[in-house]
Amino acid sequence: IAGITQAPTSQILAAGRRMTLRCTQDMRHNAMYWYRQDLGLGLRLIHYSNTAGTTGKGEVPDGYSVSRANTDDFPLTLASAVPSQTSVYFCASSDSVASGMDEQFFGPGTRLTVL
Amino acid sequence: GQNIDQPTEMTATEGAIVQINCTYQTSGFNGLFWYQQHAGEAPTFLSYNVLDGLEEKGRFSSFLSRSKGYSYLLLKELQMKDSASYLCAVKDSNYQLIWGAGTKLIIKP
Repeated sequence: IAGITQAPTSQILAAGRRMTLRCTQDMRHNAMYWYRQDLGLGLRLIHYSNTAGTTGKGEVPDGYSVSRANTDDFPLTLASAVPSQTSVYFCASSDSVASGMDEQFFGPGTRLTVL
Repeated sequence: GQNIDQPTEMTATEGAIVQINCTYQTSGFNGLFWYQQHAGEAPTFLSYNVLDGLEEKGRFSSFLSRSKGYSYLLLKELQMKDSASYLCAVKDSNYQLIWGAGTKLIIKP
């Protein structure tokens, strides 16, 4: 693994189904993030984790949950998918949260369609 | 509320220079980032500014004026591979990134 991986690459899901998007990084970064990206809108933060064992809510957390059991993995779960959750989902990581200059590194994204 | 504004789309000619502007209003300021995103791909880091002035990195330069809440990304000697979206993002007082919607740059030969 080099950097951040996400799985699946794309998924078509029936409304009401449960879905977990996987994210794994091998850079030993402390902080991890989940964003969604929709046409005409900026990246919007769903949930974040400053360090293993802690999580926080971002701008658009409703309908999503996360866990951070270890440093490397940060799965995002949709408990009961709805069509408005159709989007491209990006996972990102950074070495530190409380450092202004730390850039975020992004995974390749998961394209999710909820029908 | 927090707001990042940048033009939706710009067109430029191969070999020319283009300036992409970004204005922001955020709760606190801990730096401004520019990212490049090719269609269907992930954003990748281009530049970071926290002090006023110009940061130059090869063909790309980024400028910041904190008093004006303003930044620009300057791309010189444009190449076809520079066709992409350019995302402006500000790190707020909670060290969270607030993102603009991005500027789609179209390069014509």
